[in-house]
Amino acid sequence: SQQGEEDPQALSIQEGENATMNCSYKTSINNLQWYRQNSGRGLVHLILIRSNEREKHSGRLRVTLDTSKKSSSLLITASRAADTASYFCASTSSGTYKYIFGTGTRLKVLA
Amino acid sequence: DTGVSQDPRHKITKRGQNVTFRCDPISEHNRLYWYRQTLGQGPEFLTYFQNEAQLEKSRLLSDRFSAERPKGSFSTLEIQRTEQGDSAMYLCASSSPVMGQDFWEQYFGPGTRLTVT
Repeated sequence: SQQGEEDPQALSIQEGENATMNCSYKTSINNLQWYRQNSGRGLVHLILIRSNEREKHSGRLRVTLDTSKKSSSLLITASRAADTASYFCASTSSGTYKYIFGTGTRLKVLA
Repeated sequence: DTGVSQDPRHKITKRGQNVTFRCDPISEHNRLYWYRQTLGQGPEFLTYFQNEAQLEKSRLLSDRFSAERPKGSFSTLEIQRTEQGDSAMYLCASSSPVMGQDFWEQYFGPGTRLTVT
């Protein structure tokens, strides 16, 4: 499969806790993005990190990138019930227009 | 609403029939993508257009699949002689280059859910 892998596949936490999900990819990348998908709003872009960056923040989101390990992580702090969704990483590489999505982490935040 | 729209939202068809889906991207977005997503998986890239030119097509796409974007605006995805394995959500996304950056945020449509019986 061309897809990247994410772990865990599913995560259940209490509201207010932090959620961490990881993504591994297979080829050298230009950029890596994280998307959220729920039944109400479809797929929504959350945050981007470029290959020469190691960490990026946006609100309650923190993304890290380790190109030597071909992995990225997404941390959601102070989770809310509204964060319940599936989260996907997507990477782009030089010489192609493809976005390669991971298999996703299903996050459930319990109120 | 100026988001990406897709039509129809649901399609049920019998095996062997042809189906066509439409995607209307955000106005003036010159990049358009088609993806297929099955239950429990991430979206799988199918094809990409820049304006009216189809610049990349997945090897996953068999000859039964064809996509067009005739005037660089809306796009259609046709599946001929549908098979049960074609049952999936078909997603369209559009984006526009941001000056000075090599990344384009994708805006996704709600998808067309295809069921082949």
